[in-house]
Amino acid sequence: GEDVEQSLFLSVREGDSSVINCTYTDSSSTYLYWYKQEPGAGLQLLTYIFSNMDMKQDQRLTVLLNKKDKHLSLRIADTQTGDSAIYFCAENVRGNQFYFGTGTSLTVIP
Amino acid sequence: DTAVSQTPKYLVTQMGNDKSIKCEQNLGHDTMYWYKQDSKKFLKIMFSYNNKELIINETVPNRFSPKSPDKAHLNLHINSLELGDSAVYFCASSLQGALGANVLTFGAGSRLTVL
Repeated sequence: GEDVEQSLFLSVREGDSSVINCTYTDSSSTYLYWYKQEPGAGLQLLTYIFSNMDMKQDQRLTVLLNKKDKHLSLRIADTQTGDSAIYFCAENVRGNQFYFGTGTSLTVIP
Repeated sequence: DTAVSQTPKYLVTQMGNDKSIKCEQNLGHDTMYWYKQDSKKFLKIMFSYNNKELIINETVPNRFSPKSPDKAHLNLHINSLELGDSAVYFCASSLQGALGANVLTFGAGSRLTVL
């Protein structure tokens, strides 16, 4: 539930791939999400994955889910400067109960 | 045509004052939330309302009182503001029981600074 963990910082060069990792806690989570927060803005949904899937691809984004290890990752291919933001993973434990990770601040170096 | 709108965007006030933040959504969602984001960017649920009924009330001081006059609005009133209340407060909404993922839509945030 509450201790959803992420690395706090990640720096990559423009054009490289970024991989943001998340460890969640509740094995009964039905959906897992990735949100993006740009400076001074609210959180924006990027993508989500159903718990019975192990991979989902959406253009430059690939989500991998390892349910056994409760590990979720987001890969951004060909990272651009506009991808610089804070990325949050979240788990939907039941109904309206969501728990967010600590957030990973991604810096893309030109 | 903003989906989840909250006002004010910025609020600077003195310790001990009472203030309110308003939130409205035009998505037809039946569940609304208040989240608090601290200076380290940690995001924590405070309250959730479903069809005007309180369904989540995390460990929040009772100086914070949410009010939902209808399912499109969820306001947050804070009494006797303290320095530690300084944060960004996000309103969000979702549609309970929707087929597929229950997706949160967030407002742009209200930055509260208590001096």
